[in-house]
Amino acid sequence: QVTLRESGPALVKPTQTLTLTCTFSGFSLNTNGMCVSWIRQPPGKALEWLALIDWEDDKYYSTSLKTRLTISKDTSKNQVVLRMTHMDPVDTATYYCARREKSSGWSYDFWGQGTLVTVSS
Amino acid sequence: DIVMTQSPATLSVSPGERATLSCRASQSVARNLAWYQQKPGQAPRLLIYDASTKATGIPARFSGSGSATEFTLTILSLQSEDFAVYYCQQYNNWPQTFGQGTKVEI
Repeated sequence: QVTLRESGPALVKPTQTLTLTCTFSGFSLNTNGMCVSWIRQPPGKALEWLALIDWEDDKYYSTSLKTRLTISKDTSKNQVVLRMTHMDPVDTATYYCARREKSSGWSYDFWGQGTLVTVSS
Repeated sequence: DIVMTQSPATLSVSPGERATLSCRASQSVARNLAWYQQKPGQAPRLLIYDASTKATGIPARFSGSGSATEFTLTILSLQSEDFAVYYCQQYNNWPQTFGQGTKVEI
């Protein structure tokens, strides 16, 4: 079955770079139509889409955050990595990775449980 | 970026009643719209994609409609497990964007 799991530091200091890893199983990012995204949610607030990488290694980013984000994949390890530079307390949020696949209309049919990242000195 | 506006922010309903949630896009997204349900402490769950197609395992009481800029999620005969926050999301244009959510409460 399809699973995704986020991992990374729970606490980062302002100005540091955050690196999050999404480890998935049950599908391959080499498969036509397969994508993985990162989406975040500040406490008590709405979902915010961050970045996506697809089976052809095409990458898409949030307009407001694109200068700070880098998404990459390691298909041999079934992992997608998100790097976010210059972290600030407003970046405190639960970060989710999710699968996007064309048979689900390009929506997000499977999600990880999320990882809470707090930005504080 | 396309702005997704959901209304109302909070919807108070009784169990067994119908709930109607709205989502408006700032420009046409065709039918490239999804609805998600999120309960406290949980990841979102896909309910509807392509505006009206139910995801696997979603009960028949959930239905979606609309196109272009106006979309609706209808929940017939609300059950206790349906009280949650609902988000719409467009995937017609980059970047993809979510609405701010509608909380369905008792």
